[in-house]
Amino acid sequence: IAGITQAPTSQILAAGRRMTLRCTQDMRHNAMYWYRQDLGLGLRLIHYSNTAGTTGKGEVPDGYSVSRANTDDFPLTLASAVPSQTSVYFCASSDGLADTGELFFGEGSRLTVL
Amino acid sequence: GQNIDQPTEMTATEGAIVQINCTYQTSGFNGLFWYQQHAGEAPTFLSYNVLDGLEEKGRFSSFLSRSKGYSYLLLKELQMKDSASYLCALMDSNYQLIWGAGTKLIIKP
Repeated sequence: IAGITQAPTSQILAAGRRMTLRCTQDMRHNAMYWYRQDLGLGLRLIHYSNTAGTTGKGEVPDGYSVSRANTDDFPLTLASAVPSQTSVYFCASSDGLADTGELFFGEGSRLTVL
Repeated sequence: GQNIDQPTEMTATEGAIVQINCTYQTSGFNGLFWYQQHAGEAPTFLSYNVLDGLEEKGRFSSFLSRSKGYSYLLLKELQMKDSASYLCALMDSNYQLIWGAGTKLIIKP
């Protein structure tokens, strides 16, 4: 593993089903983020974690949950998927965003909810 | 509240120069960022401005005026591989990034 790995790359899901998007980083970054990207809109922050054991809500947290049991993993769960959650989801990490401004992104997970 | 505006799409010619503008309104400011995103790929970091002025990095430069709420990304000697979306983002008082919708840059031969 090098950088951030997301899985699955793509998924079609029936409405009402539960889905977990996985995110793993090997850079030992403290902070991790989940964004969704929709056509015509900027990246929107769903949830974040500044360090292992802590999480926080972003701009659009409803319908999503996260956990941060360790430094490397930051899964995003949709408890009961709805069509409006159809989007491309990006996991990202940083080591001092205020210092460098650099986020490292995974390759994205394209989710379609029918 | 916070708001970021950038043009939806721009077209430029290979070898030329293009300037992509970004204007913003915010109550708290901790920096202005530019990212590049090729179609179907993840965003990648280009630049970070926290003080007024021009930051140059190879063919790419980024400018910031905090008093005017204005930034631009300048791309010189355009190459076909520069065809991508360019995302402007500001860091708010809570050190979270607020993203613009992105500018799709089309490079023509």
